[in-house]
Amino acid sequence: SQQGEEDPQALSIQEGENATMNCSYKTSINNLQWYRQNSGRGLVHLILIRSNEREKHSGRLRVTLDTSKKSSSLLITASRAADTASYFCATLRLQGAQKLVFGQGTRLTINP
Amino acid sequence: NAGVTQTPKFQVLKTGQSMTLQCAQDMNHNSMYWYRQDPGMGLRLIYYSASEGTTDKGEVPNGYNVSRLNKREFSLRLESAAPSQTSVYFCASSNLGATARYTEAFFGQGTRLTVV
Repeated sequence: SQQGEEDPQALSIQEGENATMNCSYKTSINNLQWYRQNSGRGLVHLILIRSNEREKHSGRLRVTLDTSKKSSSLLITASRAADTASYFCATLRLQGAQKLVFGQGTRLTINP
Repeated sequence: NAGVTQTPKFQVLKTGQSMTLQCAQDMNHNSMYWYRQDPGMGLRLIYYSASEGTTDKGEVPNGYNVSRLNKREFSLRLESAAPSQTSVYFCASSNLGATARYTEAFFGQGTRLTVV
């Protein structure tokens, strides 16, 4: 089964509001990453948070990591129409096979 | 820099035909990946190569083979295509350092494959 699971599967908000997406995973990780995918295109990396970090910021993005709960959240503040996309979390395991495993994603729609 | 380049961008195959999807990266990354993406399923890992000369199965390897031709190139082969392999295929690359520190993955633009 997949390592990361996002919640919610779909989210629709008004422009200017904040969007929060959550990711849960199952095994110990080296790091967790968030990616964005615009319709029909390849994924673009947003932010990487290592297992010894608890919070990270990049522009309007804020990511938290709680290794005790095996969960992460992605907050997009002051959303814009251009933020409409699918967002995926991906995890790299701490030990064993060095493979990057993705969750099913959250489809975010920003309404003008 | 081109980043990760996949060819072809689109392909239609008949059931039973074979084909190879090509992927090349120019970032000197040691790890490369093949994923498939189906509607509502996210990305599922087919095969990956942690370094030149090594390949390993991912979550859904059945019906596929891979070759890590050199550090730059990682190809995915469908020996006998089936309709269930209709999907969008993405290649990605990243770096694993000597201390297992990791850089983000860079993705190609995808190959849309239809098997009829």
